[in-house]
Amino acid sequence: DAKTTQPNSMESNEEEPVHLPCNHSTISGTDYIHWYRQLPSQGPEYVIHGLTSNVNNRMASLAIAEDRKSSTLILHRATLRDAAVYYCILTGTGNQFYFGTGTSLTVIP
Amino acid sequence: NAGVTQTPKFRVLKTGQSMTLLCAQDMNHEYMYWYRQDPGMGLRLIHYSVGEGTTAKGEVPDGYNVSRLKKQNFLLGLESAAPSQTSVYFCASPPAASSYEQYFGPGTRLTVT
Repeated sequence: DAKTTQPNSMESNEEEPVHLPCNHSTISGTDYIHWYRQLPSQGPEYVIHGLTSNVNNRMASLAIAEDRKSSTLILHRATLRDAAVYYCILTGTGNQFYFGTGTSLTVIP
Repeated sequence: NAGVTQTPKFRVLKTGQSMTLLCAQDMNHEYMYWYRQDPGMGLRLIHYSVGEGTTAKGEVPDGYNVSRLKKQNFLLGLESAAPSQTSVYFCASPPAASSYEQYFGPGTRLTVT
């Protein structure tokens, strides 16, 4: 399965937008792009997923590059509760999720 | 509707001891997964199941066995625990195929001394 590359850490000021990047240059045509986040001492939590088109839900937006080799998770207004590790994951026909080390997001009050 | 639950929440084992971790879901999902998470790392898939009576190996299956005798339960067994199996174990279950979200349990923290 294709792998993803994310920055180890990012910081954001509270109530400002956050753009979390993910590179997946070896993505195949059937791979979905998923984003999960993990708050301290909790299991991962689903954030959003998409295939080709940009997606919006109540938590975030997902912007997918036209060639699908990268994507960006957008948190429109960061809150302190958004401080977490964010994972970008690709899944294809194998039904397996491969988590990388993710991006640790710090939100500054 | 409890979602995904895991038993126990914490456990300390001595090297060589055996134990079984239980994952239960009440959402009637076909798919269930077992992951482990080591400090500072992402989750790694141990074993998974695509339906009652079926299991398959994931990324790091060595030292573990699994069974899915009932649709709602997915058991992870350690026959002879080793210190390298000290980790936090998470169970997850998506509604269907990999394009859907996975619901994770709260985790089991296992220490092997």
